[in-house]
Amino acid sequence: DIQMTQSPSTLSASVGDRVTITCRASQSISSWLAWYQQKPGKAPKLLIYKASSLESGVPSRFSGSGSGTEFTLTISSLQPDDFATYYCQQYNSYRQTFGQGTKVEIK
Amino acid sequence: QVQLQESGPGLVKPSQTLSLTCTVSGGSISSGSYYWSWIRQPAGKGLEWIGRIYTSGSTNYNPSLKSRVTISVDTSKNQFSLKLSSVTAADTAVYYCARAVGFWYDYWGQGTLVTVSS
Repeated sequence: DIQMTQSPSTLSASVGDRVTITCRASQSISSWLAWYQQKPGKAPKLLIYKASSLESGVPSRFSGSGSGTEFTLTISSLQPDDFATYYCQQYNSYRQTFGQGTKVEIK
Repeated sequence: QVQLQESGPGLVKPSQTLSLTCTVSGGSISSGSYYWSWIRQPAGKGLEWIGRIYTSGSTNYNPSLKSRVTISVDTSKNQFSLKLSSVTAADTAVYYCARAVGFWYDYWGQGTLVTVSS
């Protein structure tokens, strides 16, 4: 099984900060990675697919990069609406797996 | 705008079968190249992929759940369904249905909480 490890688990930041979340795969997944944002009581929302493609309607302050085993999600200037939990998802194999999540909190 | 809505019992007894239905509106479930999927999330925990069904009816399941899971589709009702047998308390979670374009999920239902308890 491909394991996905996100870091950090929790991140404290202020509005306007540049935020980076990392997701590492236990083996190469090429660029088959997506990022989601989830707020309490809500379904996840797709932000990034194929590692770096921005989903339609998602603000351009979100960006993704990486390939192989290491990936990053960057929020260039954190906004109040961005405080949430973020998950990566690999789909190199049909047994898709998600990272354990990174909670972005207000500092 | 595609919308998905889960429905089904919120309480299931241990050893019984959990049954949920996802109704798709705003588009035909049989059009396009989409996978219709189920994902769950125990309270305070991460996301777990359960399985998916293609518009042709072919399925893929999470190997850890495969022996207990059946996903089916009813194109006449624009619905797809999940059955999870022999449930235990470990199956208590919010269950989401979602549409996958390729392997990424672009539309999700709001989620439904299923509690396994006697």
